[in-house]
Amino acid sequence: EVQLVESGGGLVQPGRSLRLSCAGSGFTFEDYAMHWVRQVPGKGLEWVSGINWNSGTTAYADSVKGRFTISRDNSKHSLYLQMNSLRADDTALYYCAKSPSVSVTNSYLDYWGQGTLVTVSS
Amino acid sequence: DIQMTQSPSTLSSSVGDSVTITCRASRNITTSLAWYQQRPGKAPKLLIYKASRLESGVPSRFSGSGSGTEFSLTISSLHPDDCATYYCQHYTSYAWYTFGQGTKLEIK
Repeated sequence: EVQLVESGGGLVQPGRSLRLSCAGSGFTFEDYAMHWVRQVPGKGLEWVSGINWNSGTTAYADSVKGRFTISRDNSKHSLYLQMNSLRADDTALYYCAKSPSVSVTNSYLDYWGQGTLVTVSS
Repeated sequence: DIQMTQSPSTLSSSVGDSVTITCRASRNITTSLAWYQQRPGKAPKLLIYKASRLESGVPSRFSGSGSGTEFSLTISSLHPDDCATYYCQHYTSYAWYTFGQGTKLEIK
């Protein structure tokens, strides 16, 4: 059974940093691209970032470009999101999601974790 | 960027009825479209990919159609647990992913 478990969320002050993690199991982690998607409570879904199977290609939404960095450690079956210069509008539930493809482009998301909540507030 | 517009925003129907949700893309995305179901308090779940292909394990009451810029998700014979918000998402290779704003389905 595919499982994605996010961690690292919490309350952080504006301008500070936070690192999210996602542990994958039940599938061959290194064979698939991975993504982060966020959702403001009560609102819609926003794609944040993606990374291909071997970290050779990364992609970011314009809203986080230059502030967030996605990475992965295939030996640890883990995905990360380093979030710097956090703003109040980054407050959201952050989901880790798996692609059925090795590529970060041109693919849907076939499994999602339960999310980790990030709250940016002073 | 490609904008995805869903209609209606909310929908109310009865058990056993059929409903259709529409998703319109601002540019041609051929069939690079997925549909997700998000039940209250839960993570999104993939229903349909490539506009009309049913994900494994998803009941055949769910069906998708369309290509280019106009797409639809039809749920036939509504069940009480179909109460959820449904999102479309494009995944073309020339623009980063965007989701529709969601359609909240209420079961009377």
